Amino acid sequence: EAGVAQSPRYKIIEKRQSVAFWCNPISGHATLYWYQQILGQGPKLLIQFQNNGVVDDSQLPKDRFSAERLKGVDSTLKIQPAKLEDSAVYLCASSLFTGGSGNTIYFGEGSWLTVV
Amino acid sequence: AQKITQTQPGMFVQEKEAVTLDCTYDTSDQSYGLFWYKQPSSGEMIFLIYQGSYDEQNATEGRYSLNFQKARKSANLVISASQLGDSAMYFCAMREGRYNQGGKLIFGQGTELSVKP
Repeated sequence: EAGVAQSPRYKIIEKRQSVAFWCNPISGHATLYWYQQILGQGPKLLIQFQNNGVVDDSQLPKDRFSAERLKGVDSTLKIQPAKLEDSAVYLCASSLFTGGSGNTIYFGEGSWLTVV
Repeated sequence: AQKITQTQPGMFVQEKEAVTLDCTYDTSDQSYGLFWYKQPSSGEMIFLIYQGSYDEQNATEGRYSLNFQKARKSANLVISASQLGDSAMYFCAMREGRYNQGGKLIFGQGTELSVKP
């Protein structure tokens, strides 16, 4: 079974530029998450989708971050304009269901962003 | 509010010995799940083990076991017979489990484990 796919793996941009990350979840997984992980910290949820609807985007900085999940499969996370503090690893994850505590969340390898 | 605390920023262990990574949690929910993930330097979060709040037995997966003490709200990870490849960051995470509500994971700060030859 293929895992969660993310691209690009690495991106370096200047502040005020824009960047987009793509994620393809595990086949059949209805729930998709985007996490931000700053160096030395645990991941923090940015946004959670159930199919193509948003379940939780309370920690998404909506003035500069946007995300969409068209057709309930692939997802794109965009940052525009980027700030230095956006330098982080952006992890995409997926799981079968949103309800219940036992459904494991599987992560991709992450997209490493450096803003200079 | 739910919270995960990992108090050991870094740990060293000799190869082939066992090591315990600490995790305490706080939640007002009765139904929740506790997870441990391993993150090597490559960045991927690798699922290791899961413990449900209603599970009476401690979870085990190969060399990994979870020492679950519900009354103390702790969920420590035990790695037996450490290997050099176990060197990585380890994260404890919690997911509250009410059905049809957001199933996001809340992570601790992580523990960096170094295995010495």
